[in-house]
Amino acid sequence: AQSVTQPDIHITVSEGASLELRCNYSYGATPYLFWYVQSPGQGLQLLLKYFSGDTLVQGIKGFEAEFKRSQSSFNLRKPSVHWSDAAEYFCAVVMYSGGGADGLTFGKGTHLIIQP
Amino acid sequence: GAGVSQSPSNKVTEKGKDVELRCDPISGHTALYWYRQSLGQGLEFLIYFQGNSAPDKSGLPSDRFSAERTGGSVSTLTIQRTQQEDSAVYLCASSTTVQETQYFGPGTRLLVL
Repeated sequence: AQSVTQPDIHITVSEGASLELRCNYSYGATPYLFWYVQSPGQGLQLLLKYFSGDTLVQGIKGFEAEFKRSQSSFNLRKPSVHWSDAAEYFCAVVMYSGGGADGLTFGKGTHLIIQP
Repeated sequence: GAGVSQSPSNKVTEKGKDVELRCDPISGHTALYWYRQSLGQGLEFLIYFQGNSAPDKSGLPSDRFSAERTGGSVSTLTIQRTQQEDSAVYLCASSTTVQETQYFGPGTRLLVL
């Protein structure tokens, strides 16, 4: 069965420091990959996605992610975090086949805390 | 343009009552998805619609859950005889087609007392 692992439940980063959130997936083939962010009381906002092509993808709010097939990883990075980045971050994957669809499979999320 | 909207934003109900949750997708989006977010289970996929059709209902947690979509637009998720374990945030998403990016609504927070 497909699965997504976000090993870090909580991460604390100082404002201005760099950030990397880890995501590993378990699939037989390369899935479509996403990072979403959820602020308190808000819905999920798409940060970036990878379907194919360049393995380094740029997203909104200065985030980027790199797809590494050999490691089955899709880690999210940001060079310098801002206090407004404090939120819950979800990695998600989906496989499409035969013209049908599955829902997104989400990791458990990483709670990002920004300290002054 | 307008995003995915959901109503109500919050719903408190008594155990055993039925509830209806509504989702208005982005205009023109043919695919619509329902998810549930709870502390214990995280984010779970429930069901999707392509047009008015739901090809696979196996993700619904029990036969108390049903969903429909009419006119290729609005969808309702109905939970009959609610139980306390149904308490969660129910999220709706839509996409232009089934193989495109899903955009999420703000969710309906359901509390079953």
